[in-house]
Amino acid sequence: EVQLVESGGGLVKPGGSLRLSCGGSGFTFSSYSMNWVRQAPGKGLEWVSSISSSSYYISYADSVKGRFTISRDNAENSLFLQMNSLRAEDTAVYYCARVLGTYYMDVWGKGTTVTVSS
Amino acid sequence: QTVVTQEPSFSVSPGGTVTLTCGFTTGSVSSDNYPSWYQQTPGQAPRTLIHSTKIRSSGVPDRFFGSILGNKAALTITGAQADDESDYYCVLYLGSDIWVFGGGTKLTVL
Repeated sequence: EVQLVESGGGLVKPGGSLRLSCGGSGFTFSSYSMNWVRQAPGKGLEWVSSISSSSYYISYADSVKGRFTISRDNAENSLFLQMNSLRAEDTAVYYCARVLGTYYMDVWGKGTTVTVSS
Repeated sequence: QTVVTQEPSFSVSPGGTVTLTCGFTTGSVSSDNYPSWYQQTPGQAPRTLIHSTKIRSSGVPDRFFGSILGNKAALTITGAQADDESDYYCVLYLGSDIWVFGGGTKLTVL
């Protein structure tokens, strides 16, 4: 079964840091680009960041550029999101999603919750 | 900053047909934006319905139909059922590995 499982969420103070992880199984992780998508409480989905299969191409939403860093370890079938200088508006459920070649997300994890609050 | 718009809410009667749209505030949506649609119920992860404008994901009933209508992407649901009551999100690909989600449409079936 193709599966993505996020972890690493939690409560952090404004200005703090957090590192999210996403483990993939049931597919050849190294062959796929991956996205992070978030959803603030009661709000819609927001694309956050993307990384290509080889990590050659990386992109970020303007709202997180310069503060968040996406990375992956294909040997460990893992995707990461390093989040620094966190703000209250970064409070959200963070999903990782597999990207297929025709630019859509076909498999999603269940999400991990990040709360930024003093 | 690119903004993608969707109707905030829509209502459909059981058995009825509804068309949700997804567009840019300026400019037209085309197949080059690879429109995709996702269904989400409260507390759940999104479920992929449609990709590449009109291709249904595995297991999605043919009551769900994607298209380009005028200058927008569209999701048409026919024979609406109670369990279609969900939030629906479109996402458009802008190129250079950048995506933008619409604000979502809350669909009520009543």
